Amino acid sequence: GAGVSQSPSNKVTEKGKDVELRCDPISGHTALYWYRQSLGQGLEFLIYFQGNSAPDKSGLPSDRFSAERTGGSVSTLTIQRTQQEDSAVYLCASSLNGLAQGDTQYFGPGTRLTVL
Amino acid sequence: KQEVTQIPAALSVPEGENLVLNCSFTDSAIYNLQWFRQDPGKGLTSLLLIQSSQREQTSGRLNASLDKSSGRSTLYIAASQPGDSATYLCAPNAGNMLTFGGGTRLMVKP
Repeated sequence: GAGVSQSPSNKVTEKGKDVELRCDPISGHTALYWYRQSLGQGLEFLIYFQGNSAPDKSGLPSDRFSAERTGGSVSTLTIQRTQQEDSAVYLCASSLNGLAQGDTQYFGPGTRLTVL
Repeated sequence: KQEVTQIPAALSVPEGENLVLNCSFTDSAIYNLQWFRQDPGKGLTSLLLIQSSQREQTSGRLNASLDKSSGRSTLYIAASQPGDSATYLCAPNAGNMLTFGGGTRLMVKP
């Protein structure tokens, strides 16, 4: 079946602009995660959605970052007033249930964001 | 806060060698641990998931062991092939997120 998809695959923007990154999880997966992979920082957790529960936003680096998940499926990560340090690959993942149930996480191909 | 260390950071070997990639983590209160492979410019591919109650998990030429109490996991790759060249990441699961190590960049030469 289809895996996790993300769009766009690449995004180049100017400093100060807002960007939206999209994630389509695997159908039927209730849990969705966003991570960021940047040079020198490795892979960092950003936010976690589980069903209808309030999201775990503990990894968001600043209030310029926000995410929503509509209808328990598609998620959008929004970065406002982008800065050069936001340049990274943004990865989305999903799992059938939450990680506490011991499920495997499946990752999308990522969106490479470059802020000029 | 969970800290994950992977050793070595990079490894270059001739084809056919058996390999050992090491992962250590500071918080042993985990549900499971995943090993991933990442090819350049690509996302992550899950290789093995080993539950906290398990000691080992095998898939083909890959074998992962977990010693939760000592905060260590090891990925064994048997009879390495050039197609195994990639970055390997370990990620213990604390229940709401995976915490990733810096990875081991593997190059297998023909």
